[in-house]
Amino acid sequence: GDSVTQTEGPVTVSESESLIINCTYSATSIAYPNLFWYVRYPGEGLQLLLKVITAGQKGSSRGFEATYNKETTSFHLQKASVQESDSAVYYCALGENMGYKLTFGTGTSLLVDP
Amino acid sequence: GGIITQTPKFLIGQEGQKLTLKCQQNFNHDTMYWYRQDSGKGLRLIYYSITENDLQKGDLSEGYDASREKKSSFSLTVTSAQKNEMAVFLCASSGGKHTGQLYFGEGSKLTVL
Repeated sequence: GDSVTQTEGPVTVSESESLIINCTYSATSIAYPNLFWYVRYPGEGLQLLLKVITAGQKGSSRGFEATYNKETTSFHLQKASVQESDSAVYYCALGENMGYKLTFGTGTSLLVDP
Repeated sequence: GGIITQTPKFLIGQEGQKLTLKCQQNFNHDTMYWYRQDSGKGLRLIYYSITENDLQKGDLSEGYDASREKKSSFSLTVTSAQKNEMAVFLCASSGGKHTGQLYFGEGSKLTVL
């Protein structure tokens, strides 16, 4: 079946340092995968951070970037300089183009030290 | 903007009990979802509903029933709670054929004694 594997947390980073959270996927039943990063801030519901629906393209939001790499089946999340407010749980997800279902990774808890 | 409201936030039940979770959305979205999250695991889809009165099974539907009696609400029933079960149930909605933009509620935490 389809699956998503991401960096196991918790991940602790000092403020202003760079960040990478790894995500790889296996899309055995999806012809045209779409890739997503969702984030859950403390006390809030899970929300979409960014998405990319075309292989080779990059998505960005709130200073975060992720590039859809079909060759390595990866969609790593990166940020050049993290802030304390980025402390949250990040989920990589995989979906079918124009489909309904999303397959989520286990989530990576990020703590940014001030 | 809209909001997803899940009730109750915390649910404590006994083994074998039937337990119901409710979800309301005011986005006027067509599609609604129930996901289950266990500690250390990703979200797993239980049921989803494309429109009012529609039900589609997800990967984890066994042991659950769902009901979508009107567009704004989607309920989930645990048909027989398992002893020591503990999980968070997340309701979500989306505006239609997938853009991948799901809007989630804050979750309902289930504990079975």
